[in-house]
Amino acid sequence: ETGVTQTPRHLVMGMTNKKSLKCEQHLGHNAMYWYKQSAKKPLELMFVYNFKEQTENNSVPSRFSPECPNSSHLFLHLHTLQPEDSALYLCASSPVGGNQPQHFGDGTRLSIL
Amino acid sequence: ILNVEQSPQSLHVQEGDSTNFTCSFPSSNFYALHWYRWETAKSPEALFVMTLNGDEKKKGRISATLNTKEGYSYLYIKGSQPEDSATYLCAPNTNAGKSTFGDGTTLTVKP
Repeated sequence: ETGVTQTPRHLVMGMTNKKSLKCEQHLGHNAMYWYKQSAKKPLELMFVYNFKEQTENNSVPSRFSPECPNSSHLFLHLHTLQPEDSALYLCASSPVGGNQPQHFGDGTRLSIL
Repeated sequence: ILNVEQSPQSLHVQEGDSTNFTCSFPSSNFYALHWYRWETAKSPEALFVMTLNGDEKKKGRISATLNTKEGYSYLYIKGSQPEDSATYLCAPNTNAGKSTFGDGTTLTVKP
């Protein structure tokens, strides 16, 4: 149990579907992150939120839309995805500050048909 | 985005062997470096955070060193056990707070 919960664990969707990934943490952290890991590639940072404000968007296509309503919840809204978007999507949280380790969820395995 | 290199990409050792692997990163604007262990079907777990040149951290049979001047960190595992099998990730941070993960070293320990 890492303290970071992601749902769903697995998701299969068509390219025209709209779905959302959810991440929740009750560790008292104020920074939250979305990462993507494609097969045989390193973890890629997608978005960073500090105190509910987006502080980093790593050139992510607009078909991925993050939302952070409060410091405990982070969503990733998905729309019109492409087959190459099939990957493991990991959420993490940490205290704000570069020397603080991140706590990761178990991830959502996304498959685009 | 930092240029972070981890080597080797994969490693197979026998139970009881000691092993080590490397994380290389740009030494400019260095702030901190994290090591994570990522076991199959689990989430990445933080092992160490290192900030000072010459830092050495230890957790059981696993230890790590840091050289910020030349831009590298070593992770050592003494007397490897099958439960050490995992992918080990390093993630240096810059002083702007930007963190980049390396590709990882995947360790397999055979009983």
